[in-house]
Order: sequence, then structure tokens, then C-alpha cells
Amino acid sequence: KAGVTQTPRYLIKTRGQQVTLSCSPISGHRSVSWYQQTPGQGLQFLFEYFSETQRNKGNFPGRFSGRQFSNSRSEMNVSTLELGDSALYLCASSTTGGETQYFGPGTRLLVL
Amino acid sequence: GESVGLHLPTLSVQEGDNSIINCAYSNSASDYFIWYKQESGKGPQFIIDIRSNMDKRQGQRVTVLLNKTVKHLSLQIAATQPGDSAVYFCARSQGNLIFGKGTKLSVKP
Repeated sequence: KAGVTQTPRYLIKTRGQQVTLSCSPISGHRSVSWYQQTPGQGLQFLFEYFSETQRNKGNFPGRFSGRQFSNSRSEMNVSTLELGDSALYLCASSTTGGETQYFGPGTRLLVL
Repeated sequence: GESVGLHLPTLSVQEGDNSIINCAYSNSASDYFIWYKQESGKGPQFIIDIRSNMDKRQGQRVTVLLNKTVKHLSLQIAATQPGDSAVYFCARSQGNLIFGKGTKLSVKP
């Protein structure tokens, strides 16, 4: 079974721009969660989607948003990018959420 | 507030020795814990998990111990190998995962 895939793997953007990241979960997994990883803050939960609905949300500003499609693929969007948004964005999938989550390789975003 | 924290940021061990990575948590409602391994340039990789109704769980060369009395979790790696060099995270699951800061394990040949 293929693992979680994320595209693109690397991105360079400038302040004020917006970015969309994509995640394809493991086949059969319906829950997709997003995390931000930075050296200073570690791994922090952004949000979780299940059956196209946001089920849980972390403590991030409204510039961070996401969605999930009927095939369970998910996208997250960051608008009006700030330098502090530079991070590794990780997607994780699980069958229904609340149990073991499997991570993708991440998208490394650099904001200049 | 709830948190999942690690005692040591770095750990250096000799190849072949056993490694022990520790983790403390503060939320007594925690019922599911996971250890992840993250190698450079990769996403976290599931190692082993344990539920609060267990004290110990063993996998291949890894053992997780849970002490609910002192709210402490540990990961033991037997016969540590160079391929075990990575950052190890403990995480508590409450739907979303709450991660500790991570311990960097370095294995000396």
C-alpha cells in the first residue's frame, strides 16, 4: 500500500503571497491531519479533516485553512504569508482518526 | 496545561548498547501514547504505541514502558544500530497528536 504523499516537496514564496499544499492519504484512510514543524515550536497541530469536514482545529490564525475532497485527498492553504510561516508542513492520515497516524514526507516552505 | 515533554534533548550511545529515551506528560486523561522516529528530511515514522491500560509493550528491538503513577513514558531500543540515529518524539493522542520536543539519538560506531 502506498504511503502518504505530499506535493510539492519544496516551495519558496515571498511575504504576502499565498500557498496551497496537497496531501494524498493512504488508501482507505479517511482522516487527514496537518501539522507544522519548526525548530522553535516543534510539531504543532493545525487541523484535521474527516469525510470532507473539519473535525478539529489547532491554535493557528485564520490565514491557515484547509479542505478535504470526496476521495479523502486534502489541501491546506496559507494566505498572506509571513516569514514565520517558514516550516515543514506535515500531513498524516489514519483510518478514522484518534488512532495511529501515518505521516507523509512533508512540504518544506521557505518564505522570503 | 497539558503537555508532553522530553527530559533530554540529545542522547549519544555506542553501537550495540541499549538506548532509553524518556518522556513526561502532564494530562492525566491521556490514554494513548505513540513514539515516532524522524530521520533527516523525512516525516515522522510510527515506531510503537501503548494504551493507558497497559504498562509495557514490546516490538522488534523496541519496548515502551508507561508509568501512569508518575506520568512517565519511555522508549527502550535494544542493541542500538547506526540506523537508529534520528530524532525521537513521544506523542499523546486526543484525536490530534500532541508532541514532545524530541530527543536526538546519535549512535557512535
